[in-house]
Amino acid sequence: AQSVTQLDSQVPVFEEAPVELRCNYSSSVSVYLFWYVQYPNQGLQLLLKYLSGSTLVKGINGFEAEFNKSQTSFHLRKPSVHISDTAEYFCAVSDAAGNNRKLIWGLGTSLAVNP
Amino acid sequence: KAGVTQTPRYLIKTRGQQVTLSCSPISGHRSVSWYQQTPGQGLQFLFEYFSETQRNKGNFPGRFSGRQFSNSRSEMNVSTLELGDSALYLCASSLARSGGETQYFGPGTRLLVL
Repeated sequence: AQSVTQLDSQVPVFEEAPVELRCNYSSSVSVYLFWYVQYPNQGLQLLLKYLSGSTLVKGINGFEAEFNKSQTSFHLRKPSVHISDTAEYFCAVSDAAGNNRKLIWGLGTSLAVNP
Repeated sequence: KAGVTQTPRYLIKTRGQQVTLSCSPISGHRSVSWYQQTPGQGLQFLFEYFSETQRNKGNFPGRFSGRQFSNSRSEMNVSTLELGDSALYLCASSLARSGGETQYFGPGTRLLVL
């Protein structure tokens, strides 16, 4: 079985400051890793994903994440945040074996960007 | 292309009733997955349908069911509603060509059970 832990439920940050949202996972098999963002009253949008290859993954809106297999982590970073980045961020994993689309989710991190 | 659409967007039901939610995937997408989102439990996988067949199922009671039609549109049904079924129900579609595919989410149906 797989599980995902997002280490911070809320992260307040000032505009233009850097931010890191932490995600750890547990799995006995190889996984794919995802970060999604949910703006208020909207569905989820993919920020980036790791499938294989380079452990540094770049996504939309200036976000990037680094896959660390030894630490089973997939932390999300942005060097300079904007007010518009205020949203809920979710880390998720899926089994890399087979054609599997079942996502296991963390509980989310609420990012609040203050002016 | 139009995105994933879900209807209705909001629903209010009473305990014991049943409800049917609808999801229209992005054109050409063959897989539809359903998730329940609540403040306490977060996002939980309900089931996935591909080519009108359920391919995967989460840990929900049998009151939760779904189906997929030949045009890939999907419905989920919840019978004998309980207060704890109040949630945002999200569906997601994907091409279903490989694992690790991006799933595209609809805006959700917010269900309130009184």
